Amino acid sequence: EIVLTQSPATLSFSPGERATLSCRASQSVSSSLAWYQQKPGQAPRLLIYDASNRATGVPARFSGSGSGTDFTLTISSLEPEDFAVYYCHQRGSWPWTFGQGTKVEIK
Amino acid sequence: EVQLVESGGGLVQPGGSLRLSCAASGFSFSSYAMSWVRQAPGKGLEWVSTVGTGFDTYYGDPMKGRFTISRDNSKSTLYLQMNSLKAEDTAVYFCASNIPGRAGFDYWGQGALVTVSS
Repeated sequence: EIVLTQSPATLSFSPGERATLSCRASQSVSSSLAWYQQKPGQAPRLLIYDASNRATGVPARFSGSGSGTDFTLTISSLEPEDFAVYYCHQRGSWPWTFGQGTKVEIK
Repeated sequence: EVQLVESGGGLVQPGGSLRLSCAASGFSFSSYAMSWVRQAPGKGLEWVSTVGTGFDTYYGDPMKGRFTISRDNSKSTLYLQMNSLKAEDTAVYFCASNIPGRAGFDYWGQGALVTVSS
């Protein structure tokens, strides 16, 4: 099973700041990685698929990069609605797995 | 508009069974692989199972032998039959559609709560 490690568990920022979230895979997943945003009481929302492609309707301030084992989600300038939990997810091999999540909170 | 609506959640005793359904609309259901993802209270996301367009099935290790995923394309409905339920299966279960040929779940239902407790 491929383990996805998201670190740190919590990041604190002020609105307008740039946020960089990390996801590291225990073995290569090529570009088969997605990023999701989840707010309390809501279903996750797809942000990035195939490591670097923005999903429909996702603002341009969200970008994804990486391949193999190291991936990054960047939010160029945090808006108030961006404070949430972010998960990475791999489907490079079965079983598919999720990272444990990074909470982006307001400083 | 794409909609995924789960139903069938509830309270069940340990060792019991439950069947979840996910009614899909607004897209060509038969052309999409479909999945279940769960989230235990206060915890992260866990992939449960996927059924492909060719009815091929895949399961997470904790679910193998106990859960069965299936689909009825004539009804645009996804199912998850859960047997031998354990307390650790307590979670919100989401159904999600898989972007064809891409890595990502593009649409999600609102979730169905399954509580396993005596």
